[in-house]
Amino acid sequence: EVQLVESGGGLVQPGGSLRLSCAASGFTFSGYWMSWVRQAPGKGLDWVANIKPDGSEKYYVDSVKGRFTISRDNAKNTLYLQMNSLRAEDTAVYYCARDRTRPNCWGQGTLVTVSS
Amino acid sequence: QSALTQPASVSGSPGQSITISCTGTSSDVGGYNYVSWYQQYPGKAPKLMISEVSNRPSGVPDRFSGSKSVNTASLTISGLQAEDEADYYCSSYTSSSTLVFGGGTKLTVL
Repeated sequence: EVQLVESGGGLVQPGGSLRLSCAASGFTFSGYWMSWVRQAPGKGLDWVANIKPDGSEKYYVDSVKGRFTISRDNAKNTLYLQMNSLRAEDTAVYYCARDRTRPNCWGQGTLVTVSS
Repeated sequence: QSALTQPASVSGSPGQSITISCTGTSSDVGGYNYVSWYQQYPGKAPKLMISEVSNRPSGVPDRFSGSKSVNTASLTISGLQAEDEADYYCSSYTSSSTLVFGGGTKLTVL
């Protein structure tokens, strides 16, 4: 069974940092582009970033460039999102998803709350 | 990186058909056949319902269909059922190698 499990969310103060993880199982993780998508409370889906299977290419939405870093460890079947200089507007449920053109498998999400 | 445009809400009665539109530009919807549609229930993760404009993943009822004309994609649900009441989002791959979503459409089954 294909499965993605996010972790690492929580409450953080503005300007703080957080690292999200996404553990993958049930498929060949090293063969897929992976993405992060977030959803603010009561709002729609927003794509955040994606990364090539070998990690050599990474793309970000403008609002997180320079603050967020997507990475992966194919040996551990794990996707990461390092989030620095967090702002209130980054508050959202963060989902990891398989594929970059048609995310077809999603985790359950992890909630990040940025508040003082 | 502007969001794709979807109607905020649509409604229909059981058994009827509804269509949700998703309008972008030549840099996203119009430039690629990588338009997808997702169904999302409150508090749940999105579920892929249509990929590459009109392909239905295994397990998705054939009541769901997709199409595209120039810069506008559409999701049609025929034979509407109560369980179809959910939020629906479109997405498109873009010329910047990113993904962009629509603002979402709340479907109400009357």
